[in-house]
Amino acid sequence: RKEVEQDPGPFNVPEGATVAFNCTYSNSASQSFFWYRQDCRKEPKLLMSVYSSGNEDGRFTAQLNRASQYISLLIRDSKLSDSATYLCVVNPGPGTALIFGKGTTLSVSS
Amino acid sequence: EPEVTQTPSHQVTQMGQEVILRCVPISNHLYFYWYRQILGQKVEFLVSFYNNEISEKSEIFDDQFSVERPDGSNFTLKIRSTKLEDSAMYFCASSEGLLRTDTQYFGPGTRLTVL
Repeated sequence: RKEVEQDPGPFNVPEGATVAFNCTYSNSASQSFFWYRQDCRKEPKLLMSVYSSGNEDGRFTAQLNRASQYISLLIRDSKLSDSATYLCVVNPGPGTALIFGKGTTLSVSS
Repeated sequence: EPEVTQTPSHQVTQMGQEVILRCVPISNHLYFYWYRQILGQKVEFLVSFYNNEISEKSEIFDDQFSVERPDGSNFTLKIRSTKLEDSAMYFCASSEGLLRTDTQYFGPGTRLTVL
């Protein structure tokens, strides 16, 4: 069975904190990897794609370790607006079903 | 920015009734998908659709479900005889399907409540 496992959370952090989420996946043939953000009762929204070389988008840094089948997301200088559920998502290939983790809930407080 | 749209935003129905959920994918996308999310659970894949036929489906997508692209813009999910356990958020998504890093974009969802 192809699975994506994430830290269960919730993570409760103060504004300005750095927080890291981890994820592992079971299908070694997976081709692309993503972090989506989901607000309560809303649709998943793409936060960033994850590349083997690591990639950064402002305060967000994603890393992929194919050998360990491990994906991470680092959020620096957390804002109140970062409060959401972060979904680790794996795609076996173009046009195929996305496989979602259960998500990790982040709550940033002032 | 182009986006996936879905109607209705909320559908309430009686058990055993048929429902049709509607989606308008992003116009230049080739692949269309339906996912569902039962409250408190993870997003689950139902079906994907390409070139006017189902390309992949999950074990959830049984004979009660069907999909259709009735015209050049709409993509629908029909549930023939709803059950209580069909209550969930149903998300439509679309993607170009051309690149290895193909990205799926999601609509705002339809909340289906089966009474």
